Amino acid sequence: DAMVIQNPRYQVTQFGKPVTLSCSQTLNHNVMYWYQQKSSQAPKLLFHYYDKDFNNEADTPDNFQSRRPNTSFCFLDIRSPGLGDAAMYLCATSRQVTPQETQYFGPGTRLLVL
Amino acid sequence: AQSVTQLGSHVSVSEGALVLLRCNYSSSVPPYLFWYVQYPNQGLQLLLKYTSAATLVKGINGFEAEFKKSETSFHLTKPSAHMSDAAEYFCAVIFTGGGNKLTFGTGTQLKVEL
Repeated sequence: DAMVIQNPRYQVTQFGKPVTLSCSQTLNHNVMYWYQQKSSQAPKLLFHYYDKDFNNEADTPDNFQSRRPNTSFCFLDIRSPGLGDAAMYLCATSRQVTPQETQYFGPGTRLLVL
Repeated sequence: AQSVTQLGSHVSVSEGALVLLRCNYSSSVPPYLFWYVQYPNQGLQLLLKYTSAATLVKGINGFEAEFKKSETSFHLTKPSAHMSDAAEYFCAVIFTGGGNKLTFGTGTQLKVEL
């Protein structure tokens, strides 16, 4: 089945230690998104890639970076995680960036910062 | 300012009873509207979406939602709740000019009791 895969499902890191979260997709979609969902809060868009074009949300902290080496993979890098970065990180994909296009979500990676 | 509001962070219903989850938006132009469901420790799954076609939208698992422009609402309903419906439900919007950026409400946790 075509899908969005996130690894690992759970990630523990130390305060200030760089961490990378991974997302892959078999849908061959052009757009990949990263959302942050803190406990009991709504998901919040951090950034997205349309093909190789990176689009950062204005309020995304500089501590968060992303890479998309090819169509299938997208990475979220947190350069110096703080305690406030503990959250569920959701990857999503869509064919295009038009509003009619459905976004398909992966199962998420829950990040714990010690 | 453009926003989306879900009334009731927790809703409890009896199995077999009507489910009604409320969502209102604030925008001068009707946005695209979505309902997503999130089961524990999983990603988001699209239930249904309104993209300016029929105002009554039918989704998966017996859910439907009606877009009411005069009330700026997009409430989610299901005639008869099932235990498997227990989950968190998010209303989301894409505002005009917002590309494909989903703005989520704060979510409603649905509990289904015997």
